[in-house]
Amino acid sequence: ELKVEQNPLFLSMQEGKNYTIYCNYSTTSDRLYWYRQDPGKSLESLFVLLSNGAVKQEGRLMASLDTKARLSTLHITAAVHDLSATYFCAEAYGGATNKLIFGTGTLLAVQP
Amino acid sequence: SAVISQKPSRDICQRGTSLTIQCQVDSQVTMMFWYRQQPGQSLTLIATANQGSEATYESGFVIDKFPISRPNLTFSTLTVSNMSPEDSSIYLCSLRQGRETQYFGPGTRLLVL
Repeated sequence: ELKVEQNPLFLSMQEGKNYTIYCNYSTTSDRLYWYRQDPGKSLESLFVLLSNGAVKQEGRLMASLDTKARLSTLHITAAVHDLSATYFCAEAYGGATNKLIFGTGTLLAVQP
Repeated sequence: SAVISQKPSRDICQRGTSLTIQCQVDSQVTMMFWYRQQPGQSLTLIATANQGSEATYESGFVIDKFPISRPNLTFSTLTVSNMSPEDSSIYLCSLRQGRETQYFGPGTRLLVL
């Protein structure tokens, strides 16, 4: 069964702190996506991770992929209020079709 | 990156009626996808729509309830038929660009009374 599990579901952080969101997936997919969703908005693409050991960074966010452990992480460094949003990971399946199965999402609230 | 627009952006509908959602892309794409996001939930794939062929539906979704058209490489529609309050969701079209990137439209927020 295809399944993507994210934890935590909810994360309340103080500004300036670091934290990690975890994404466990079920297949041998080599494509893992991270998206951000602000309230009432659509999804913004953050990262696409394509191979084992891939690491990508953009500002205070860094994503990594371990295909052997079927684990991706999204690390937040020195959080700021503007990072408050819901973050989704998604695993690609279906080969070339690139269908996505999404995790449950992590609601991040950064407190000043 | 591709620019995706959806119409309507939101609607309130009565149960038993149908609504057709349009998705327009500013470039030609082979595969388009329709996702549903129920309130407070994650996204679930409804179907894959390729131009020139029948849409492929995921488990739990059927053509009679969610008919899809894909008349050309820049346009698709999703109809939500015989609506009930359980159909209240955000419906998003999506496309893949290249091998990697997958973009999402702004979504259509549907409330069924």
